[in-house]
Amino acid sequence: DTGVSQNPRHKITKRGQNVTFRCDPISEHNRLYWYRQTLGQGPEFLTYFQNEAQLEKSRLLSDRFSAERPKGSFSTLEIQRTEQGDSAMYLCASSLGNPSSYNSPLHFGNGTRLTVT
Amino acid sequence: DAKTTQPNSMESNEEEPVHLPCNHSTISGTDYIHWYRQLPSQGPEYVIHGLTSNVNNRMASLAIAEDRKSSTLILHRATLRDAAVYYCILRDRTRRDGGTSYGKLTFGQGTILTVHP
Repeated sequence: DTGVSQNPRHKITKRGQNVTFRCDPISEHNRLYWYRQTLGQGPEFLTYFQNEAQLEKSRLLSDRFSAERPKGSFSTLEIQRTEQGDSAMYLCASSLGNPSSYNSPLHFGNGTRLTVT
Repeated sequence: DAKTTQPNSMESNEEEPVHLPCNHSTISGTDYIHWYRQLPSQGPEYVIHGLTSNVNNRMASLAIAEDRKSSTLILHRATLRDAAVYYCILRDRTRRDGGTSYGKLTFGQGTILTVHP
């Protein structure tokens, strides 16, 4: 178990640029989640994948945000035309998902910190 | 999602027990009580979960009130490494439409635990 890996750890970009983050979940985990966390707040849910299917998206996820999980392995989160309000920590988590493991813990990565200048 | 209420902050001394309270008066019969913690500059990590009975693991104990409207996370001997934000979360095993929950977690603001040497 090498844990959930997120890259890059830090990203500084100028307003209006596009950015992409990558998440590598724990290999046998079929569920993958993206969260966003701003300073002093708890993580906020963005979106969820079961294998390669994106099954739920938060209303927080504007049209400028898109997430993919091709082949049900790693996932990418892209933000187009970044705004200063997008500055946050973006967290990825994975878990096992089947009827007998609905309480499986989420395993989080250490996040990608985005700063939009 | 059912809501939890936690104190904003608590303090403890090293090697003393810590009792972190959580109120969840609107808990439903299908809600599990989960605790996660987030150390500085890291993603959240799973601590413990329970339904009705008290639970123990290597990290902590979870005491659940008989009416399930409150619970307490117990760290038996706090160490400096236990300084973190602790989140109490209700995790519903079923979706409102009767399908199986995707297992997402909805975080509040948590309790900031400070441990003094």
